[in-house]
Amino acid sequence: TQLLEQSPQFLSIQEGENLTVYCNSSSVFSSLQWYRQEPGEGPVLLVTVVTGGEVKKLKRLTFQFGDARKDSSLHITAAQPGDTGLYLCAGARGAGNMLTFGGGTRLMVKP
Amino acid sequence: DTAVSQTPKYLVTQMGNDKSIKCEQNLGHDTMYWYKQDSKKFLKIMFSYNNKELIINETVPNRFSPKSPDKAHLNLHINSLELGDSAVYFCASSLQDRANEKLFFGSGTQLSVL
Repeated sequence: TQLLEQSPQFLSIQEGENLTVYCNSSSVFSSLQWYRQEPGEGPVLLVTVVTGGEVKKLKRLTFQFGDARKDSSLHITAAQPGDTGLYLCAGARGAGNMLTFGGGTRLMVKP
Repeated sequence: DTAVSQTPKYLVTQMGNDKSIKCEQNLGHDTMYWYKQDSKKFLKIMFSYNNKELIINETVPNRFSPKSPDKAHLNLHINSLELGDSAVYFCASSLQDRANEKLFFGSGTQLSVL
């Protein structure tokens, strides 16, 4: 059983569609990060959310941290083929930075 | 210009062998990590190393040992390789060992144990 559950695991959509990826846990996290990973590369940080209820926007990407700091969501508006990749959420507990990662959501955006 | 670099990119070896993966960061960061990503893309922390303090994930077999000759390097030694060790291993670094710090990842080493 993973500490952080991501859904859906796979998502294939057409260019221009909207989508939401979820990251859920029964544990409380001090912060939560979202990463994007492309084939053959390491994950790259997209955003860090720290405060319960926090919403951050990064162009067409909107990230939200749940009020109880147990879950998060990533919403992409008008998806583009360049958004294709593996999206990973990762939570930190305590003062240190040993992150726990979710299982990832593989997104494919078709032109 | 590469921030976190690890070598080799690919490593194919026989069961029972001992191998090492090297990692170097030129960001001046204090903390380095090793992560393992399995075939289902699940990324799991193995070690965190900060100012000579090693934090080990308790699930990591003692066949795995990190070696840090200096702050910019954290190498991973694996003894008596097993089939289940096949995975992609990522080195990462962060400025400090604090929650919310951004992790910078290398491009990974794909290890195949035959």
